[in-house]
Amino acid sequence: AQSVSQHNHHVILSEAASLELGCNYSYGGTVNLFWYVQYPGQHLQLLLKYFSGDPLVKGIKGFEAEFIKSKFSFNLRKPSVQWSDTAEYFCAVKVGNYGQNFVFGPGTRLSVLP
Amino acid sequence: EPEVTQTPSHQVTQMGQEVILRCVPISNHLYFYWYRQILGQKVEFLVSFYNNEISEKSEIFDDQFSVERPDGSNFTLKIRSTKLEDSAMYFCASRTAHNSPLHFGNGTRLTVT
Repeated sequence: AQSVSQHNHHVILSEAASLELGCNYSYGGTVNLFWYVQYPGQHLQLLLKYFSGDPLVKGIKGFEAEFIKSKFSFNLRKPSVQWSDTAEYFCAVKVGNYGQNFVFGPGTRLSVLP
Repeated sequence: EPEVTQTPSHQVTQMGQEVILRCVPISNHLYFYWYRQILGQKVEFLVSFYNNEISEKSEIFDDQFSVERPDGSNFTLKIRSTKLEDSAMYFCASRTAHNSPLHFGNGTRLTVT
């Protein structure tokens, strides 16, 4: 079965620090990759997605992620975090172009200190 | 921007009772999903629905669960006889085509007492 792992359970940063959240998946074939964010008390919102093409994808709010196929990774980055980025971040993988199931990682809680 | 809407936002029920969680997916979307998130834990896939039938389901989605799209707009999740461990946030999601992301609703918090 496919699995998605996220390296950090809880990350604490000060404002303006750089962010990198790790995501690895276990499936070797074609994958679609996503990062979702869940602000406190809210639903999951799409940050960015990768289907094909340029492995460096840019999303909303200054986030970007890089797909490295050889490492089965899709790490999320932001050069300078803000207090408002405090949230839970979930990596998700959909296997194959016609697969239906989106498998989510366990999430990484990001706390940004003002 | 169109949204996935879910009702109610919070449902409290007694163990053994039936509950129906309701969702209105985005109108031109074709694939519909239910996920759940037990407090502090990961987002777990329950079921996907396409072309008026279940296309995939997880081992969590046992005989006590069912889904329906009764009228072309609503998408419901029924839990027949709730258990304490069913307490969770239930998220409905939908998407358009096979290469598209999920759009989530705000969720229904189910509390089973």
